[in-house]
Amino acid sequence: DARVTQTPRHKVTEMGQEVTMRCQPILGHNTVFWYRQTMMQGLELLAYFRNRAPLDDSGMPKDRFSAEMPDATLATLKIQPSEPRDSAVYFCASGQGTSAFPGELFFGEGSRLTVL
Amino acid sequence: RKEVEQDPGPFNVPEGATVAFNCTYSNSASQSFFWYRQDCRKEPKLLMSVYSSGNEDGRFTAQLNRASQYISLLIRDSKLSDSATYLCVVIRGYGGSQGNLIFGKGTKLSVKP
Repeated sequence: DARVTQTPRHKVTEMGQEVTMRCQPILGHNTVFWYRQTMMQGLELLAYFRNRAPLDDSGMPKDRFSAEMPDATLATLKIQPSEPRDSAVYFCASGQGTSAFPGELFFGEGSRLTVL
Repeated sequence: RKEVEQDPGPFNVPEGATVAFNCTYSNSASQSFFWYRQDCRKEPKLLMSVYSSGNEDGRFTAQLNRASQYISLLIRDSKLSDSATYLCVVIRGYGGSQGNLIFGKGTKLSVKP
């Protein structure tokens, strides 16, 4: 059963530390997304890749966040330095990116980040 | 005004009840609409697409009203297992690009015995 895999599932860190989250999209999917979810804001798009190329990262604080896809099987989201307001659940999702399935994204289980 | 708005609820209903949620969207150029379901502390999962003619999947019916710019989800004969948060999703603009998926904050449903 194909699924999106995210690590770590939980992370507690102190303010100022670097945090790296990793995602393995479903094999064959060509779109990858990073979302952040909080009670206040809901799901916010941070970054979007198609065929490994970054297409949209306008939702991401550029001064501290960075997203990359070094290869088709790995997407990373890095926060440096982390701040308490970054505490949230970070979801990675992948999709086929075709007009036939525009709305179907497959989400990973999320990385729950707590910054003290 | 937010692009996609939902009543956060919670909607507390007894088993067997019929419950309906609405979701409004502000961009009249939006073309594609979906409902996702998110269980507590889990990831969102696609529940169903919303077609212009309306569509049904078992106890679930989704409808689109373009004139009033809202979509709805109706759940009949609700089950305890339907308890979850239901997220309205809209693809902004034309082209159907997944990069333009906009999620609502969700409506929480709690079905009680």
